[in-house]
Amino acid sequence: DAKTTQPPSMDCAEGRAANLPCNHSTISGNEYVYWYRQIHSQGPQYIIHGLKNNETNEMASLIITEDRKSSTLILPHATLRDTAVYYCIVRVANFGNEKLTFGTGTRLTIIP
Amino acid sequence: DVKVTQSSRYLVKRTGEKVFLECVQDMDHENMFWYRQDPGLGLRLIYFSYDVKMKEKGDIPEGYSVSREKKERFSLILESASTNQTSMYLCASSLTDLILNTEAFFGQGTRLTVV
Repeated sequence: DAKTTQPPSMDCAEGRAANLPCNHSTISGNEYVYWYRQIHSQGPQYIIHGLKNNETNEMASLIITEDRKSSTLILPHATLRDTAVYYCIVRVANFGNEKLTFGTGTRLTIIP
Repeated sequence: DVKVTQSSRYLVKRTGEKVFLECVQDMDHENMFWYRQDPGLGLRLIYFSYDVKMKEKGDIPEGYSVSREKKERFSLILESASTNQTSMYLCASSLTDLILNTEAFFGQGTRLTVV
């Protein structure tokens, strides 16, 4: 069952902020929101995660709505190297049974 | 540096062959995963394991089996390879930590072609 919904593709101009939305309307109270990205011909790479507060690291910012039903990943100054497929997933760490499920993601293309 | 290593980057096998895809991680992670990735379908979970000798079916386990005899190694087995198993296979591992809730680390993938 799909737990997250993302647009299949997006474009963003180089140097601008890329805002990638994700809907997770059935998220449970103990589930985190994770973002990964996959650059062509590589394995997915972790970007950021959060529970209910907004988060920022050296790669991106994560904005989670107050009701936690949706979130936005922000790449503040997109570069051509940010062209990739971005996956939003929800995840709960159940000790001894952690199923990590991805969807189809958003293909982000950075336009020069 | 964290490492998840898949034994082959590219593999070509014949229909009906038994195929072993190997994955090794050096981070002492409890959880390991096998996915396949096909155009338009994203990453689909085949099997995962949360401890040695433990395994759980993912979303598409049919035609596959797995083995986890040691913590660091998780093998995906295609008992009798078929052309519809031509795909990119990705292995991942993660640490179970309820406080830190850590990320998963992926290997570079094995592109398997069954002819």
